[in-house]
Amino acid sequence: LAKTTQPISMDSYEGQEVNITCSHNNIATNDYITWYQQFPSQGPRFIIQGYKTKVTNEVASLFIPADRKSSTLSLPRVSLSDTAVYYCLVGESNDMRFGAGTRLTVKP
Amino acid sequence: GAGVSQTPSNKVTEKGKYVELRCDPISGHTALYWYRQSLGQGPEFLIYFQGTGAADDSGLPNDRFFAVRPEGSVSTLKIQRTERGDSAVYLCASSLTRTASNYGYTFGSGTRLTVV
Repeated sequence: LAKTTQPISMDSYEGQEVNITCSHNNIATNDYITWYQQFPSQGPRFIIQGYKTKVTNEVASLFIPADRKSSTLSLPRVSLSDTAVYYCLVGESNDMRFGAGTRLTVKP
Repeated sequence: GAGVSQTPSNKVTEKGKYVELRCDPISGHTALYWYRQSLGQGPEFLIYFQGTGAADDSGLPNDRFFAVRPEGSVSTLKIQRTERGDSAVYLCASSLTRTASNYGYTFGSGTRLTVV
């Protein structure tokens, strides 16, 4: 399973765009990149998944360069309610392993 | 149901006791996963079921932990001779299939187990 590295924490302010980058140097050909969000006292919630280039949904965008050794989750115009832990996972299937995640704090 | 349901939401037990944690996945989801999460850490994989069978139990920490899914829907995680180090939030998730998809897994809210 590919190992991922992401910042432990990030701070932002309301209305800003937040970009969280995840490194996964040993990603395999069949691996997908998936991001989850977790609020306190809740299970993680699926945000977005991609294989290459760019994926966008109503919540976020995911940018994946051609070498796929990293990915960037982009959250447009964050609000206080986006304060959470964000996990980057890499794997071929859904039985993926979580790292420690990035704790995003959005300030007013 | 509409989501993944886990019961109980909280469980306090004495050291050495036996506990059962229940997970009711989304109807029709063939894949079911158990994770354990300690404070400040990411979820730790325990076991994965495809249908009724445990396809990957490599995350179970020792033989005190066991999980079943006899009819391919509801799953029970069983912990024997509980220890204080077993205290954590136990999370269950389900997905339509094992392969990566645009939906990932859906998690329940977890069972907070406290061993005193």
